[in-house]
Amino acid sequence: DVKVTQSSRYLVKRTGEKVFLECVQDMDHENMFWYRQDPGLGLRLIYFSYDVKMKEKGDIPEGYSVSREKKERFSLILESASTNQTSMYLCASSLLERERMETQYFGPGTRLLVL
Amino acid sequence: GQNIDQPTEMTATEGAIVQINCTYQTSGFNGLFWYQQHAGEAPTFLSYNVLDGLEEKGRFSSFLSRSKGYSYLLLKELQMKDSASYLCAALDSNYQLIWGAGTKLIIKP
Repeated sequence: DVKVTQSSRYLVKRTGEKVFLECVQDMDHENMFWYRQDPGLGLRLIYFSYDVKMKEKGDIPEGYSVSREKKERFSLILESASTNQTSMYLCASSLLERERMETQYFGPGTRLLVL
Repeated sequence: GQNIDQPTEMTATEGAIVQINCTYQTSGFNGLFWYQQHAGEAPTFLSYNVLDGLEEKGRFSSFLSRSKGYSYLLLKELQMKDSASYLCAALDSNYQLIWGAGTKLIIKP
């Protein structure tokens, strides 16, 4: 079974703090994704990565950065947390297949509250 | 722009059948996914359709009409554990997933 784990289920941070969200997958997937999920909105893609040290902006990258130093690990960084970044953050991974995007497997999510 | 529409909430009775609709408008199309998400949990894959027609998988079936930009998820013999949100997502020409906001399904005894 594919396993995607996230470092924390719940986090409380203060405005201006630097926040690190870690995601690890154990299936040797090339693709990794960071989404945020807010009530009434669909999943919104923040950043994704097709390979080590490679990153691409998603739909809402502002205020975020990412790091992929190893294939299995994809980190999301909030340089200076703000209250509008309070959300559920979901990490996902999938195999790289140009002909058809493989199914994405999700981690359990991190619920971040910024005070 | 790219858009996915699905109802916000639906209610159904245990043992019954429910159909959750999804319409999409994307730049190109490479398939449609349905995911199930229980409250407080991660989305889990249910189905993928890229060709027109109905695909059946146990109590769940998914239908696609590419010409109409339309899909539905059909759940039969509803069980209380089917209470969840159901997310529709379309794959565009760049193989990027465009997500709907999800349909919250409430099952009543």
